[in-house]
Amino acid sequence: NAGVTQTPKFQVLKTGQSMTLQCAQDMNHNSMYWYRQDPGMGLRLIYYSASEGTTDKGEVPNGYNVSRLNKREFSLRLESAAPSQTSVYFCASSALAGASRETQYFGPGTRLLVL
Amino acid sequence: AQSVTQLGSHVSVSEGALVLLRCNYSSSVPPYLFWYVQYPNQGLQLLLKYTTGATLVKGINGFEAEFKKSETSFHLTKPSAHMSDAAEYFCAVRDAGGTSYGKLTFGQGTILTVHP
Repeated sequence: NAGVTQTPKFQVLKTGQSMTLQCAQDMNHNSMYWYRQDPGMGLRLIYYSASEGTTDKGEVPNGYNVSRLNKREFSLRLESAAPSQTSVYFCASSALAGASRETQYFGPGTRLLVL
Repeated sequence: AQSVTQLGSHVSVSEGALVLLRCNYSSSVPPYLFWYVQYPNQGLQLLLKYTTGATLVKGINGFEAEFKKSETSFHLTKPSAHMSDAAEYFCAVRDAGGTSYGKLTFGQGTILTVHP
C-alpha cells in the first residue's frame, strides 16, 4: 500500500513551458486535492475533486488546470509556467467526499523551479 | 471565512524540555482541527485531530493538543522534546458542516528546533 504517490519529485522549467504533475492514490479515496507550499504561507489549496468526475477551484487556482482521470488519479497542469509558480506541490486524498472529519493523506511532494 | 494563526514561525527548545506550539483559529461554525508534521523533504503526516468529544486529544509520538473553544485555540504540547521532533508543524482547520468538501485552511507553520 503506497498511499499517495507523486511524479516527478523535482522539475525545472523555463518560463512559458508547460508540464503536468501526476498524483495517484491506492486507498480507494473519493476526494483528492492539490496544494502549493510556499515559505511562511503554509499550504494553500489550488484545486480539489470531491469525487470522480468533479473538480472545483480552491484558494489559488489561477494558472492551473486539473483533471480527475479516474478515482485513483488527479493531475495538475501548468499550461504556461511562470516564476511565481515556483513552489512545492502536494497532492492529498481523503476517504469521503464532504466528510469534514476525514483525515487527508499527503504525498511526498513535487519541487518545481521555474526560471 | 476560516483562518489559522500560528504564533511563532520558529521555536527552539532543549532536548527534554516542554514543547508548546501555539495555534489560534477563527471559524464561523464549529471547527474540526488538525495538527500535521512535516519532516525535511517529506510530505505532511497527521499528528492528531479534534472532531467532537473530548477536548484533550492525544496523538502520535507523545504529542497532545487541547481544544479551547472560549480561547479559539488548539495548542500542541509534548512534555519532553526529543531530537527526532525537529520538524515543521502545521495547524489546520476545517468547517464541520456546509459544503466545504473537506477543504483545509492551514496556518503558516512553525519550525521546531531541538538542541542537545
